[in-house]
Amino acid sequence: NAGVMQNPRHLVRRRGQEARLRCSPMKGHSHVYWYRQLPEEGLKFMVYLQKENIIDESGMPKERFSAEFPKEGPSILRIQQVVRGDSAAYFCASSDPHMNTEAFFGQGTRLTVV
Amino acid sequence: AQSVTQPDIHITVSEGASLELRCNYSYGATPYLFWYVQSPGQGLQLLLKYFSGDTLVQGIKGFEAEFKRSQSSFNLRKPSVHWSDAAEYFCAVAPLNTNAGKSTFGDGTTLTVKP
Repeated sequence: NAGVMQNPRHLVRRRGQEARLRCSPMKGHSHVYWYRQLPEEGLKFMVYLQKENIIDESGMPKERFSAEFPKEGPSILRIQQVVRGDSAAYFCASSDPHMNTEAFFGQGTRLTVV
Repeated sequence: AQSVTQPDIHITVSEGASLELRCNYSYGATPYLFWYVQSPGQGLQLLLKYFSGDTLVQGIKGFEAEFKRSQSSFNLRKPSVHWSDAAEYFCAVAPLNTNAGKSTFGDGTTLTVKP
């Protein structure tokens, strides 16, 4: 059973470009969470999604950031018009809908904005 | 709103020595409590978790943690540290009866192990 898969592992974007980060949850998991880790800091919750629904986006910046988890395919975190301050590691986690007491994390996507 | 404090940003211990990493949380009720480890450039691995019951929790890799309600603490311990334990350690909390995936993390403690 493969773990949570994130790609790409590393992403470099120029200021103003768009960044798309993908997350495939563990098999059987329909809950996905996105976190951002700025340098020297802990992880900060961004958004919680279930298939085709955003459940909680209280940690998402109001502008330029969006997330989706379609019926088919991976969850996508999209950052439009990236700025240097978006440089961070973005982690995805997933959990089993019947056992919400543990979430499993992917290895993250490290975004660098130049 | 809940918060997590890890007072020690960086700890250095000698290989074979004991280790204690501190974690304090602020929350209205007892939450779910977690400790994760992150090796450089890697994702997070769950070491252990506490929901209820015995306040001393055993985890993987020889780690344990003790929940102390009166002190709102959940400190991580290991009797004898190995060089491979060098990593960053995060304490996290999530409200009871919600999804553990929506957690609040501390800022982490970086562990260095001296030979």
